Amino acid sequence: EIVLTQSPGTLSVSPGESITLSCRASQSVTSSFLAWYQQKPGQAPRLLIYGASYRPTGVPDRFSGRGSGTDFSLTISTLEPEDFAVYYCQQYGSSPGTFGQGTKLDIK
Amino acid sequence: QVQLVQSGAEVKKPGSSVRVSCRASGEAFGSYTLTWVRQAPGQGLEWLGGVLPVFGTTKYARKFQTRLTITADEATRTVYMELSSLRSNDTAVYYCARGHDWFAPWGPGTPVTVSS
Repeated sequence: EIVLTQSPGTLSVSPGESITLSCRASQSVTSSFLAWYQQKPGQAPRLLIYGASYRPTGVPDRFSGRGSGTDFSLTISTLEPEDFAVYYCQQYGSSPGTFGQGTKLDIK
Repeated sequence: QVQLVQSGAEVKKPGSSVRVSCRASGEAFGSYTLTWVRQAPGQGLEWLGGVLPVFGTTKYARKFQTRLTITADEATRTVYMELSSLRSNDTAVYYCARGHDWFAPWGPGTPVTVSS
């Protein structure tokens, strides 16, 4: 199965900053079938990005994804207070679908 | 818009089974896959399997194939996840979610605690 490695593990930043999170796959992800989720404490994950770069309706445009092959990233421009959460990547190009271990975004 | 409501928290003994339900409202039930994902305390997300209710077809993660059963009842718009031979490391929050590739929306989660 494909192993996804996210970095950094934790990132401490201030509101208003822009950040980029990384997700690296152990082998190429078919057709950029990669998604990103946001999870806040005590809540279920929420889909932010699918197909590496597509935003579902209702997701703010400060969230953007890019990448292909084995290297993917999620950029959050101008962090809002509600963006501090854990972010997971997930590949669904190969079965079984797998998740990264998560990146925690902390308020500095 | 699909909305998912899950059954309440469970406490189980090692070796027993647990059944968690997920009731869907909104768009036509049966036409989309409902998937189960779990999250152990302080840990990441793990895909368990899913069902496409209109055909009753299921798919399971290999590590759970011998003790996981996912079923769907179209009449009540409910999907069930049953995990048997429970052990302490099955303690987790179990989520249902719509989709078989990416998952959205998610149910609120059902905590399952396995303890003697």
